[in-house]
Amino acid sequence: GAVVSQHPSRVICKSGTSVKIECRSLDFQATTMFWYRQFPKKSLMLMATSNEGSKATYEQGVEKDKFLINHASLTLSTLTVTSAHPEDSSFYICSATPGTGNQPQHFGDGTRLSIL
Amino acid sequence: GDSVTQMEGPVTLSEEAFLTINCTYTATGYPSLFWYVQYPGEGLQLLLKATKADDKGSNKGFEATYRKETTSFHLEKGSVQVSDSAVYFCALATGGFQKLVFGTGTRLLVSP
Repeated sequence: GAVVSQHPSRVICKSGTSVKIECRSLDFQATTMFWYRQFPKKSLMLMATSNEGSKATYEQGVEKDKFLINHASLTLSTLTVTSAHPEDSSFYICSATPGTGNQPQHFGDGTRLSIL
Repeated sequence: GDSVTQMEGPVTLSEEAFLTINCTYTATGYPSLFWYVQYPGEGLQLLLKATKADDKGSNKGFEATYRKETTSFHLEKGSVQVSDSAVYFCALATGGFQKLVFGTGTRLLVSP
């Protein structure tokens, strides 16, 4: 149980385009979803926390206009990288927690984004 | 602020060797502690957790004990396998599991 699906797993696109990444909880309702960015051989950096039906809370230094997060339902959150540039190339990972209470985060398999 | 410090890798071992990956933390309050594992090209999987002092988390032969006196949560396994090769992340959370703070990760390489 507690499966999180992330799509696409890999995307390559030209500079200036926008890219949407989906994160779905397949067998539970996720009140809260998280978006992380992982640089090569580095740890995960929390970008934002999104709660269903409300605006995302961004971490300091993360551009909210650059990284648009939508959490329209209890099973789906999306991250859109707008006007992507090569420096946005990275591994993006989402996670979700089922319901309320002290439930561990469950992670998706990540999306490798490469901007040419 | 809260932080997690892990030993730098890579850690290179032969199959069936004993594994220890050190993890120490700094936190206000009483954090929950976690070990996550990341296989190549994949996201993170929760390996084990402990929510209070002296708790021992265990899974798949791995174990870690929450040591409040030394603020540590070292990961151990008695006999590693090639399939254990991955990156291991130590993490903490305070105020429930809502916000995780990760260490930098330790890559484990196990050779036959």
